[in-house]
Amino acid sequence: EAGVAQSPRYKIIEKRQSVAFWCNPISGHATLYWYQQILGQGPKLLIQFQNNGVVDDSQLPKDRFSAERLKGVDSTLKIQPAKLEDSAVYLCASSPSSYEQYFGPGTRLTVT
Amino acid sequence: AQSVSQHNHHVILSEAASLELGCNYSYGGTVNLFWYVQYPGQHLQLLLKYFSGDPLVKGIKGFEAEFIKSKFSFNLRKPSVQWSDTAEYFCASLGTGANNLFFGTGTRLTVIP
Repeated sequence: EAGVAQSPRYKIIEKRQSVAFWCNPISGHATLYWYQQILGQGPKLLIQFQNNGVVDDSQLPKDRFSAERLKGVDSTLKIQPAKLEDSAVYLCASSPSSYEQYFGPGTRLTVT
Repeated sequence: AQSVSQHNHHVILSEAASLELGCNYSYGGTVNLFWYVQYPGQHLQLLLKYFSGDPLVKGIKGFEAEFIKSKFSFNLRKPSVQWSDTAEYFCASLGTGANNLFFGTGTRLTVIP
């Protein structure tokens, strides 16, 4: 079974630029999550989708972050404009149920 | 607010030593608890989980964890660590409602051959 795919794996941008991350969940997984993991901290949920609907986006900084999950499969997370404090690893996870989550390799973002 | 605490930031052990990593959770209701591991250069993987029943949970690679409700704890243990256990370990609690995970800050384990 293929795992959760994410791209790119690494991205370096300057502050105020825009960036987008892509996630392809495990086939058949209805729930998709985006987490932000800042160095030295645990992952923190940004947004959760159930199929193509948003379940929880309470921790998403909506003035600069946006996410969508078209057709209930792939998802894109965008940051516009980026700030220095957005430097982090962005993790995508998917789940067939409400409990066990499978994580992708993450995208490491550096904002200079 | 729901939270998970891991007080050991970095643990260094010699091979064959016993391991115990602390995890405390704040939520007083029904808890679902997890330990995830991230080996160097790899993605987060589930080690074990507790939903209900036997408070002693066994996971992969010889790891186990004990849920102690009175202490709000879910410590991870392994009787004899190997060099290949070098990784970062995260304790997590499942949130209510939307069922997202609340992670601790992680514990980095270094095992010296």
